[in-house]
Amino acid sequence: NAGVTQTPKFQVLKTGQSMTLQCAQDMNHNSMYWYRQDPGMGLRLIYYSASEGTTDKGEVPNGYNVSRLNKREFSLRLESAAPSQTSVYFCASSEFPRGGYEQYFGPGTRLTVT
Amino acid sequence: AQTVTQSQPEMSVQEAETVTLSCTYDTSESDYYLFWYKQPPSRQMILVIRQEAYKQQNATENRFSVNFQKAAKSFSLKISDSQLGDAAMYFCAYRSAPKGPELVFGKGTKLTVNP
Repeated sequence: NAGVTQTPKFQVLKTGQSMTLQCAQDMNHNSMYWYRQDPGMGLRLIYYSASEGTTDKGEVPNGYNVSRLNKREFSLRLESAAPSQTSVYFCASSEFPRGGYEQYFGPGTRLTVT
Repeated sequence: AQTVTQSQPEMSVQEAETVTLSCTYDTSESDYYLFWYKQPPSRQMILVIRQEAYKQQNATENRFSVNFQKAAKSFSLKISDSQLGDAAMYFCAYRSAPKGPELVFGKGTKLTVNP
């Protein structure tokens, strides 16, 4: 039982390049999330998927797109990377999108855009 | 919009002693959940403890306990018998019960445990 896995762990991009961050969970959770963490800040929600087939914007969605590929997988795409997107990205999942259900986090991806 | 404030950017404690981390939040809602997450140097976010706003009893998990003061909108974390492995960033987080699903995080408190 791996929990939430993310690939890659580290990535360096040049401004304007694109890439996709991959996330998968094996806990049969309905809901999945993408957060970013900047230095000296807590995590901020980028996008989430309450259930398979649905996605919604969070607090900071600009510059990102997401795909809920199936119940297990939720990817985050940067179409044209900018230095402001340098951050650590966390994927998370939970059984349901509301209430006190714990969100389980992946190990994070450190992305640097030069 | 809800906000979460952690007023202590850094704290330190001697091994085996007790430390309290502070958290206050601003909300007009009456139904919500509060969480403390631990982030060690490995970056992994780990849930430490959870509190439902409708419960008056303070949550406890082994050496970790909270002091939840709903009227004051305060949610502090007490770590007893501190261990070297407790050294980490600690984040307080809020989640609206009727709205969800996002967690609103504070900026974190870096805890150092001295041997």
